[in-house]
Amino acid sequence: AQSVTQLDSHVSVSEGTPVLLRCNYSSSYSPSLFWYVQHPNKGLQLLLKYTSAATLVKGINGFEAEFKKSETSFHLTKPSAHMSDAAEYFCVVKEYGNQFYFGTGTSLTVIP
Amino acid sequence: GAGVSQSPSNKVTEKGKDVELRCDPISGHTALYWYRQRLGQGLEFLIYFQGNSAPDKSGLPSDRFSAERTGESVSTLTIQRTQQEDSAVYLCASSTQTGNEQFFGPGTRLTVL
Repeated sequence: AQSVTQLDSHVSVSEGTPVLLRCNYSSSYSPSLFWYVQHPNKGLQLLLKYTSAATLVKGINGFEAEFKKSETSFHLTKPSAHMSDAAEYFCVVKEYGNQFYFGTGTSLTVIP
Repeated sequence: GAGVSQSPSNKVTEKGKDVELRCDPISGHTALYWYRQRLGQGLEFLIYFQGNSAPDKSGLPSDRFSAERTGESVSTLTIQRTQQEDSAVYLCASSTQTGNEQFFGPGTRLTVL
């Protein structure tokens, strides 16, 4: 069975401080893992993906995530938050087959 | 090239009416997905098409929901006898056969009065 848990429904950071959005998954296989971002009234956009290559994955807009198999985690980080990062973030797991499993989302607020 | 498009962008309907939502995937993408996103919540899988294979309908919430896709082109999601709890944004995504990235459309916001 597979599931995705985003540990925080809301995260609030000050502009210029680091961002950490946490994601844990359960999977019977070696999964592919993704982070998507959804800005208000916009479509979902892929931030980054892990597909069994390097465990540290760099994405767009300065975001990166590290796949830790021993911890079954795929946390999203950014060294310095920008106002434009305020959005909803979804962690997604895909394993054998073509169905994608979405976490419930983390809402990121950036305080000026 | 063009991304995934969906129409209409907004739909307001009365309870009990039928609605039809359309998705145009990226050309050449064999896989197509429908999701529902209720206000403030994550994405709920509805149905998945892959080429000419039988669709995976395991996420459809009731028999009022159905979807069709002709070959590898347009898909329509039909909701019959709409209920207020059907109000949500309906998102469509497509991907290549290997399916390592989904490309999402902008969604259709459905409001059932």
